[in-house]
Amino acid sequence: KAGVTQTPRYLIKTRGQQVTLSCSPISGHRSVSWYQQTPGQGLQFLFEYFSETQRNKGNFPGRFSGRQFSNSRSEMNVSTLELGDSALYLCASSLVVRGATNEKLFFGSGTQLSVL
Amino acid sequence: GQQLNQSPQSMFIQEGEDVSMNCTSSSIFNTWLWYKQDPGEGPVLLIALYKAGELTSNGRLTAQFGITRKDSFLNISASIPSDVGIYFCAGSNYGQNFVFGPGTRLSVLP
Repeated sequence: KAGVTQTPRYLIKTRGQQVTLSCSPISGHRSVSWYQQTPGQGLQFLFEYFSETQRNKGNFPGRFSGRQFSNSRSEMNVSTLELGDSALYLCASSLVVRGATNEKLFFGSGTQLSVL
Repeated sequence: GQQLNQSPQSMFIQEGEDVSMNCTSSSIFNTWLWYKQDPGEGPVLLIALYKAGELTSNGRLTAQFGITRKDSFLNISASIPSDVGIYFCAGSNYGQNFVFGPGTRLSVLP
């Protein structure tokens, strides 16, 4: 069974631009979460989607948005990029909804975003 | 918000040695997950724990869910060079978002 797939792997953008990152969860998984990872802040939760509905949102500005499609694939968008948005963006999928018993998060390899 | 502490922050060990690390929380969790991350890659799930006192193994790795539900422990026996990486713990409580620790960086000397 294929793992979580994130595209692209690397991205270089300039300040003010916008970016869209894509995540395909493990087949059959309906929950997708997004995290931002930086050396200083560690892994920070962005948002979680289940069955095309955003169920949880982290403490990030409105420039960060996401959506989930009917096939469970998810995208996140960052508008008006800032230098501080440079980070590894990780997507994680789960078979069950947040809070269900035996929940596990499986991560993709991430998208390394550099903002110049 | 919730914070997780991991100890130690980093460790240097000789190949063949056993490793112990822990994760503590200020609040109780009902799920603990342990991950290993290599540079430039996403975290890989090692062990999942769902019950206080639970002890689970995955090869040379053993993790325990603390009985207070505020801590968890990971042990690696007979370390090998490929154990090098950053080990993260993550905790969640009944539908809340997972909170991740800052990681323990493990270096294995030949």
